[in-house]
Order: sequence, then structure tokens, then C-alpha cells
Amino acid sequence: AQKVTQAQTEISVVEKEDVTLDCVYETRDTTYYLFWYKQPPSGELVFLIRRNSFDEQNEISGRYSWNFQKSTSSFNFTITASQVVDSAVYFCALLKSDGQNFVFGPGTRLSVLP
Amino acid sequence: EPEVTQTPSHQVTQMGQEVILRCVPISNHLYFYWYRQILGQKVEFLVSFYNNEISEKSEIFDDQFSVERPDGSNFTLKIRSTKLEDSAMYFCATPREARSYNEQFFGPGTRLTVL
Repeated sequence: AQKVTQAQTEISVVEKEDVTLDCVYETRDTTYYLFWYKQPPSGELVFLIRRNSFDEQNEISGRYSWNFQKSTSSFNFTITASQVVDSAVYFCALLKSDGQNFVFGPGTRLSVLP
Repeated sequence: EPEVTQTPSHQVTQMGQEVILRCVPISNHLYFYWYRQILGQKVEFLVSFYNNEISEKSEIFDDQFSVERPDGSNFTLKIRSTKLEDSAMYFCATPREARSYNEQFFGPGTRLTVL
């Protein structure tokens, strides 16, 4: 069975603080894909990043960085110097190698206060 | 960035009525997906559609649901007799590349409210 856990239901930070959103996944597949999506208050799902299971290199994109640790089945997401516009629900998701469907985590609601 | 569009953006219906949600995915793509998100909850997979056939469906996708591609471009999700618990946001998704199933782009969603 596949499962994605995001233990933090809600996080509040003050603007310019760094914040890390945790994601732990379970899968028996050896090849899989991990994703992060952002869902702002308007409701759409915005793609942030995809990571393949065979590529453990961490990635940085502007204020965003991702730490993929296969040994602990974690794919954590850090926002540096958070801004009010970062306020949203963030979903971690797992896609099987046959690509049939996503398994989403429950989401973490991030509130960045001015 | 490729665009997936969905209509209507918001649908209000009475319990027991049929609704049809429409999606225009990226052209020439063979894989399509529908997901559902009950308010405040996680996004859940409903069904995947490949080459005009259902390739996988979840337990949520019961006999009340159907999908089709009536005219080769639009992709529809029909709920035959809506229930209160069908109230949710429904997302259509398609992969970035026509023959790929990775990096799915989601449409803006249709918010369905069943009264």
C-alpha cells in the first residue's frame, strides 16, 4: 500500500522566518516519483517540484529547497525567508512508476503572518 | 506553461440531480485524470483515462460516476444522481507530455455544491 504522511496539520510563522514542511511516504515500489503542490486560497493546485526515487540530489529553487532522504522515506520542503504570499496549503504526493494515480498527503496549512 | 481548463468553475445542484463537469486538457494528450477534494481534506484520486478507456479507478468511483471524451477534446465527469457528500472540488489533470504520466498539471477545479 502507498501512503503519504504530513504530520504538521497547521504551521504559523512570522514573515522572513524559515519554515520546513515534513513529508514521509510509504511505498513498496523501487521506482516512484514524489511531488509537492501548493494550494493557495483560490483553490488551484500549483506544481512545485517532482523528484525521482533514483535521484537523491537535493534541489534549491529560489527561496524553496527540498531534502529527499530515501533512507528515512522523507521528502521535506523548506521555505527560506517566508513571505505572506507563501500562505497556502501544501501537499506532498507520491506517484507510482506506472503513473496511474497520485496518492496525496493530508496537506499542511502554512500561515505566514506579516 | 500548458493549460488545463475546467467548466463550470462552480456548480450548485439539488440532491438527486445529474451533473456533468467538463475539462479541456492539453491537446493530444492520452492520459487524463479526475481527482476530488472535499473541503478541508486531501486530494483523492477518482479515475484515470487512457486512450479513451478507463485504466484505473478508486473505490470512490462507483456506479454513480462515469467519464467520457465525447468529442475528442473535452473530457467529462458525470455524476448521475448527486448526493450531499459529493460536494467537493473536482480537479481534472493531465501530464506535461502527451505520452508521459509524470508531472501532472491540474485544472483550476470545479466546485460542486449539492443542496
